[in-house]
Amino acid sequence: NAGVTQTPKFQVLKTGQSMTLQCAQDMNHEYMSWYRQDPGMGLRLIHYSVGAGITDQGEVPNGYNVSRSTTEDFPLRLLSAAPSQTSVYFCASSSPRRRGTSYEQYFGPGTRLTVT
Amino acid sequence: DAKTTQPPSMDCAEGRAANLPCNHSTISGNEYVYWYRQIHSQGPQYIIHGLKNNETNEMASLIITEDRKSSTLILPHATLRDTAVYYCIVRGETSGSRLTFGEGTQLTVNP
Repeated sequence: NAGVTQTPKFQVLKTGQSMTLQCAQDMNHEYMSWYRQDPGMGLRLIHYSVGAGITDQGEVPNGYNVSRSTTEDFPLRLLSAAPSQTSVYFCASSSPRRRGTSYEQYFGPGTRLTVT
Repeated sequence: DAKTTQPPSMDCAEGRAANLPCNHSTISGNEYVYWYRQIHSQGPQYIIHGLKNNETNEMASLIITEDRKSSTLILPHATLRDTAVYYCIVRGETSGSRLTFGEGTQLTVNP
């Protein structure tokens, strides 16, 4: 299994440009999430999905859109990039287990985005 | 999800045990304690989790106090490759896939 893959690894955008960060997983996980990490800080949740066709907002959703048309893919769209969105973006996936236990998340390698 | 408190940094000699503490005094009965680590800006990596019993796997041991208000992650024989930021996260089953990260503990393993 490739696990969780993210593309691109690095990206530089100008203010106002749009782009899509790609995330894919081949573990048949139902849950997928997007996080951002600013320098010296922990990860913050942007959006998440509990299954195909279902998405919800996390802690810092403004400026980002997501969709989940398949189980495998969970792209993150920046509609009009701003310098405040300069960050490292991590995608994660996990699978729910039976009630009474819990589950670990698998993270991708990250996309390093700079907005000038 | 309950808030956690960790020291910002710790040092450990290579080959010795690294004991990383975490306070979670507001934890509720159905919340688990999770540990993840992040090596040099890679994606976080799951280490271990527990509810109230001590847990051990091939990577580490997790000791949870009887009142569940604190826990300790133990790396029994730390190596240079264990240098990383370690995150203690408390999460309930209703949190689904959501993890709330604090600032973690930067563990530096010295030769």
